Amino acid sequence: QQPVQSPQAVILREGEDAVINCSSSKALYSVHWYRQKHGEAPVFLMILLKGGEQKGHEKISASFNEKKQQSSLYLTASQLSYSGTYFCGTDRDNTGKLIFGQGTTLQVKP
Amino acid sequence: GAVVSQHPSRVICKSGTSVKIECRSLDFQATTMFWYRQFPKKSLMLMATSNEGSKATYEQGVEKDKFLINHASLTLSTLTVTSAHPEDSSFYICSAPWGAGGTGELFFGEGSRLTVL
Repeated sequence: QQPVQSPQAVILREGEDAVINCSSSKALYSVHWYRQKHGEAPVFLMILLKGGEQKGHEKISASFNEKKQQSSLYLTASQLSYSGTYFCGTDRDNTGKLIFGQGTTLQVKP
Repeated sequence: GAVVSQHPSRVICKSGTSVKIECRSLDFQATTMFWYRQFPKKSLMLMATSNEGSKATYEQGVEKDKFLINHASLTLSTLTVTSAHPEDSSFYICSAPWGAGGTGELFFGEGSRLTVL
């Protein structure tokens, strides 16, 4: 079953922050976050494993609440390069088979 | 780092013809690969799991006879769209997990944009 992402779209000014949420109705082994630019393949951002992980990568970080079956991606001090569509992918059985959410389109304006 | 290569990147064909798309893991072995389909401004929809040495596992609603998957070796999986029709036009993208299980990154190929006239 497809995870649900919110919001569907976000428009920011450079330097502003954003949070993208991913919610599943099923128990998860891991949550993966990707960013996709128009016409390109998705680019890996990070993986969060069950156990309540929180990770950071420069100004992009994420958390995974295993009990709530939710993950959030935090974008701080956004840059123009952050623009794109963000997808969460959920793995329910530790096989690497990801089911992706519907995506959140982020547009960062100067 | 690990790379997944997909070919061709773009293909245009006439209705009724078959098209083969290749997906290769370049510097690691992948016993499993995944094929996704993506419509414009939509999410990546899992089509099937390609298994080296055994039959592919298809997701519900995906026609096995329409989308033939063969995992010929530990580094190559192919997707053949048979008797293609305009509604098969889409962006097809393969992926391979790094390492065992789901704890590693899922590497994506560059994608193949199929246009059926």
